[in-house]
Amino acid sequence: DAGVIQSPRHEVTEMGQEVTLRCKPISGHDYLFWYRQTMMRGLELLIYFNNNVPIDDSGMPEDRFSAKMPNASFSTLKIQPSEPRDSAVYFCASSFARVDAEAFFGQGTRLTVV
Amino acid sequence: GNSVTQMEGPVTLSEEAFLTINCTYTATGYPSLFWYVQYPGEGLQLLLKATKADDKGSNKGFEATYRKETTSFHLEKGSVQVSDSAVYFCALLLRDGSGNTGKLIFGQGTTLQVKP
Repeated sequence: DAGVIQSPRHEVTEMGQEVTLRCKPISGHDYLFWYRQTMMRGLELLIYFNNNVPIDDSGMPEDRFSAKMPNASFSTLKIQPSEPRDSAVYFCASSFARVDAEAFFGQGTRLTVV
Repeated sequence: GNSVTQMEGPVTLSEEAFLTINCTYTATGYPSLFWYVQYPGEGLQLLLKATKADDKGSNKGFEATYRKETTSFHLEKGSVQVSDSAVYFCALLLRDGSGNTGKLIFGQGTTLQVKP
């Protein structure tokens, strides 16, 4: 397996535009996590899915953020409209549902909103 | 609520020095504990893990022991190298009453710089 694949790697967009980040988890994994990393706030859990079902979205900062997982091999995180304070690195991770399960991370998407 | 607290960085050490990065947690139930490492420009990678009290996780010379009585999981290494320079994250994996896993929560990360 190629690991967790995120796209794009870098995204620069203007304030007010819609941004869609994409993630392909490792085949067979049960969980998918979306995280946001900034210098100020560290690594924040935004939302996670179990078998494609959203379990906890309490970390989603605002209604401008939404995430979907239409099938076991694909997830999106959408920001509409985007704002400069959304600039961060967004990571997707996936894992099995075991107590010792390692979470495998993608390379991240560096989002810059100008 | 559930959370992980790490010592603030950056931590700057000379090569071959002893390393300790403190991690304490607050969690409902009985979590599994992990240390992840992040090298520049990359995602996080698992360094070591422990799933029950008194378990010791170890990898690449790093160690951490699951201490339930002090709710801690401190990371140690006897002799650091320049190549260990990275950001280190402590994390907990919550379990529900059925023993299933769920939320994976990270600390804020600690930057380690090792100088030759």
